[in-house]
Amino acid sequence: DQQVKQNSPSLSVQEGRISILNCDYTNSMFDYFLWYKKYPAEGPTFLISISSIKDKNEDGRFTVFLNKSAKHLSLHIVPSQPGDSAVYFCAASEEGNTPLVFGKGTRLSVIA
Amino acid sequence: SQTIHQWPATLVQPVGSPLSLECTVEGTSNPNLYWYRQAAGRGLQLLFYSVGIGQISSEVPQNLSASRPQDRQFILSSKKLLLSDSGFYLCAWSVGNYGYTFGSGTRLTVV
Repeated sequence: DQQVKQNSPSLSVQEGRISILNCDYTNSMFDYFLWYKKYPAEGPTFLISISSIKDKNEDGRFTVFLNKSAKHLSLHIVPSQPGDSAVYFCAASEEGNTPLVFGKGTRLSVIA
Repeated sequence: SQTIHQWPATLVQPVGSPLSLECTVEGTSNPNLYWYRQAAGRGLQLLFYSVGIGQISSEVPQNLSASRPQDRQFILSSKKLLLSDSGFYLCAWSVGNYGYTFGSGTRLTVV
């Protein structure tokens, strides 16, 4: 049973345009959401997060939107750059000391 | 500053051989420690996590095991590897449940 779903395995975007990566979740107890970026043969690195008390969090070119009623979040990258090409993982956690649950990831390719 | 070390970076092992992957964390005390595996098409799958020395929680029943002999050391083991154990293994640490920091990973190929 997948609690965090990233239904698009891959996404291709032109340099300078907006990249939108989507994530859905099923567990209504999740209260904290994160995005991680992963290059091949490296560990994932933290990108941006959002608490369930917010619906938007922005950090430079990266913005995460949370729609609690739809159990959906998205990561917007504007403008997209070739260095953004990587696999992006959505993750979620419940309150308390429970491990993060990750989605399967979306491979973003930014074409120059 | 906190750092996480994971080794080896790559490993090729025959079916039926044992496995030992080690992960150590520096610069923090009593971290939560995690082992994840990234297999093709399956994202990041949590294998084990530990909130303290000797405390191991297993998420996926399989022929792997984990141990935490010291506060900042986490070991992933197997007595007999299967072909299906191939994958990219990642160690991570956190304080509480936020801000996971991952190691650089181990690419395991079982042949």
